[in-house]
Amino acid sequence: KAGVTQTPRYLIKTRGQQVTLSCSPISGHRSVSWYQQTPGQGLQFLFEYFSETQRNKGNFPGRFSGRQFSNSRSEMNVSTLELGDSALYLCASSLGQTYRETQYFGPGTRLLVL
Amino acid sequence: GQQVMQIPQYQHVQEGEDFTTYCNSSTTLSNIQWYKQRPGGHPVFLIQLVKSGEVKKQKRLTFQFGEAKKNSSLHITATQTTDVGTYFCAGPGWTGNQFYFGTGTSLTVIP
Repeated sequence: KAGVTQTPRYLIKTRGQQVTLSCSPISGHRSVSWYQQTPGQGLQFLFEYFSETQRNKGNFPGRFSGRQFSNSRSEMNVSTLELGDSALYLCASSLGQTYRETQYFGPGTRLLVL
Repeated sequence: GQQVMQIPQYQHVQEGEDFTTYCNSSTTLSNIQWYKQRPGGHPVFLIQLVKSGEVKKQKRLTFQFGEAKKNSSLHITATQTTDVGTYFCAGPGWTGNQFYFGTGTSLTVIP
């Protein structure tokens, strides 16, 4: 089975721009979660999508949004980028039946905001 | 909200020494999972513990889930340079509406 894939792997943007990141989960997985990882803050939960619906949301401003398509692929969008948005953005997929399941992470998208 | 803290935040050990990281949740966890993230990599699942007081071993790694299901530990015996990375505990709360990751412990092994 192919693993979780994320595109692009690296991205450089300037303040005020917007960015869209993509995540393709493992085949058969219906849940996709997004995390922001920075050296000082660890893994911060952004949101989780299941069957095209946002099921959970972390404490991030409305500039961070996402969506999930019928094939379970998910996108995350960040508008009006700020310097502090520079981070590794990870997505993780799971079957989504319960919250006891293993999370399978993608390689991440490393975003640098200048 | 629910918090999952890990101590220590950083640990440097000489190769061959033992290492332990502790995970403490502010509320009960229905299960605990451990992940390892190598430098430059992404978190990879190691193991899941479900029962109160459960202990599991994977070669040199020993995982324990506390009796109250609010804490857990990971112990590595005789560390090797391949053990370098950040270890995260994680788990869902009893309300079952979110998956919580611990703050992580970064392990450096000095050859």
